[in-house]
Amino acid sequence: EAGVAQSPRYKIIEKRQSVAFWCNPISGHATLYWYQQILGQGPKLLIQFQNNGVVDDSQLPKDRFSAERLKGVDSTLKIQPAKLEDSAVYLCASSPRGPQGRFGTNEKLFFGSGTQLSVL
Amino acid sequence: KQEVTQIPAALSVPEGENLVLNCSFTDSAIYNLQWFRQDPGKGLTSLLLIQSSQREQTSGRLNASLDKSSGRSTLYIAASQPGDSATYLCAVTTSGGSYIPTFGRGTSLIVHP
Repeated sequence: EAGVAQSPRYKIIEKRQSVAFWCNPISGHATLYWYQQILGQGPKLLIQFQNNGVVDDSQLPKDRFSAERLKGVDSTLKIQPAKLEDSAVYLCASSPRGPQGRFGTNEKLFFGSGTQLSVL
Repeated sequence: KQEVTQIPAALSVPEGENLVLNCSFTDSAIYNLQWFRQDPGKGLTSLLLIQSSQREQTSGRLNASLDKSSGRSTLYIAASQPGDSATYLCAVTTSGGSYIPTFGRGTSLIVHP
């Protein structure tokens, strides 16, 4: 079974530039998450999708961050314009969990390798 | 709002020791708790998942326990090996709302030969 795919693996940009990250979840997984992990900290949720709908984006800085999940499969996360404090690893995860209120028996999260972003 | 704390932040032990890593959470109305391993520069790998109705889960040399009433989980690693060196994170999914997994900062483990 293929895992969660993310690209690019690394990205270096200057502040005020824009950047986009791509995620392809495990086939059939309904739930997709984007997490931000700053060095030395635990991952912090940015946005959760259930199929192609947003379940929670309360911690997404919407003035600069945006995300979409077209057709309930692949997802992209964009930052425009980037700030120095956006330097972090951006992790995508997926789960087989079904629609909210009806959960599958396997709730495990499967993570991609992440995109390490450096903003100079 | 769920808050997750992991103690200790870092741990260095000689090979062969039995270890206990701790995870505490503030809201006991949890749906599940997961332990993850993260190697440097890589994503997270799920080790064990404990449902709210369970008390423990075991996989090989790993055993995770859950005590909802006290808001604590422990990860027990038996007979540690250098290959166990990594950061271990716990994530708590709270019942109700969006069922978002909330992570602790992790425990950085070094097992030296």
